[in-house]
Amino acid sequence: GIQVEQSPPDLILQEGANSTLRCNFSDSVNNLQWFHQNPWGQLINLFYIPSGTKQNGRLSATTVATERYSLLYISSSQTTDSGVYFCAVETNWGAAGNKLTFGGGTRVLVKP
Amino acid sequence: EAGVTQFPSHSVIEKGQTVTLRCDPISGHDNLYWYRRVMGKEIKFLLHFVKESKQDESGMPNNRFLAERTGGTYSTLKVQPAELEDSGVYFCASSQEQGPYEQYFGPGTRLTVT
Repeated sequence: GIQVEQSPPDLILQEGANSTLRCNFSDSVNNLQWFHQNPWGQLINLFYIPSGTKQNGRLSATTVATERYSLLYISSSQTTDSGVYFCAVETNWGAAGNKLTFGGGTRVLVKP
Repeated sequence: EAGVTQFPSHSVIEKGQTVTLRCDPISGHDNLYWYRRVMGKEIKFLLHFVKESKQDESGMPNNRFLAERTGGTYSTLKVQPAELEDSGVYFCASSQEQGPYEQYFGPGTRLTVT
């Protein structure tokens, strides 16, 4: 099956710093999503981004499907950005709307 | 619009007992998925419903797990009998059938088997 690798596994930031999280995947994908798991364990949708670039406030994401990677940028980080960030992909085998395969996550801690 | 809801939020049971988890998807979402995260491991797919039909159940670990989606609305996931290794967080997600296929997750059910 498809492999999804996220880096770095852990990231400690000072409040106000910028950072880049990376997601590499081993096969073509129909769909790629970024999630933030908050301290209560809930998975919050950040981006649905099978290709291209999107921005939402201080967060932005870029997926280069042909090179099989996606980047999540956090600018001017805040303590509320702490948590685990997951990348998940849906392979393009057969019909769309299939299962997501998750990466191992990047654990982010933003210190005040 | 209400999001995906799951019940209960937390369940503690003894080995050998039965537990039933419930998921209510976003209204109008025909795709419904179950995932779980066991301690220290990645979030893994369990199965996928399209309306009331099982589209993909390749992630179901064994026959102690039974998922149903009668009427194509809410879904239940029953574990019978529960084993210690079933402990973890069970997530439900839903998406539209016709796309975009963005999946929205519920808050999860934390299952502890003692």
